[in-house]
Amino acid sequence: NAGVTQTPKFRVLKTGQSMTLLCAQDMNHEYMYWYRQDPGMGLRLIHYSVGEGTTAKGEVPDGYNVSRLKKQNFLLGLESAAPSQTSVYFCASRTGQGRTEAFFGQGTRLTVV
Amino acid sequence: GDSVTQMEGPVTLSEEAFLTINCTYTATGYPSLFWYVQYPGEGLQLLLKATKADDKGSNKGFEATYRKETTSFHLEKGSVQVSDSAVYFCALPSHTGGFKTIFGAGTRLFVKA
Repeated sequence: NAGVTQTPKFRVLKTGQSMTLLCAQDMNHEYMYWYRQDPGMGLRLIHYSVGEGTTAKGEVPDGYNVSRLKKQNFLLGLESAAPSQTSVYFCASRTGQGRTEAFFGQGTRLTVV
Repeated sequence: GDSVTQMEGPVTLSEEAFLTINCTYTATGYPSLFWYVQYPGEGLQLLLKATKADDKGSNKGFEATYRKETTSFHLEKGSVQVSDSAVYFCALPSHTGGFKTIFGAGTRLFVKA
């Protein structure tokens, strides 16, 4: 039972490089989310999706893009990485039934130098 | 809007001490309430939940009771262990933003042997 799987787990980028973080869930969940976690800032929502083919902005969307082409996958892209995007990124998913709990991946630690 | 306030840490206890981490919330409607735990270097795991008023969630010796009258969901454990050292987050699902999870700031717990 994999749950929510994030790829990669660690990555170091140079300023200006691009990359894509992949989130995959095998629970047939409708809703998926990308958060970033920074010391003293807690968890902040970047983007989310309420179903295949949909995306919406969260609290801190600037500098990121997302896509949900398949229900089980939610991709987070950084087109031109900046040091301010150094963070730990978490993907989460949940069912579309009421206000239930979200299930989280193990995180991706990204460093932009 | 929906919000969660939890006591600031860090909290340092000796093994077998009693633990309380306070959490209060503001919410539209009557959402489920959650406690998540994050062990060092890992993602967030659901520790326990309560879905309606007066419900008690419990897991691994931790308990929390959904108190509508005081809008609280305090986390307790009668005898902590070194292995309980982690960051604990009180949370609830928002009624907006794709039912995103609203987190408290997190409370870091250190347990000394």
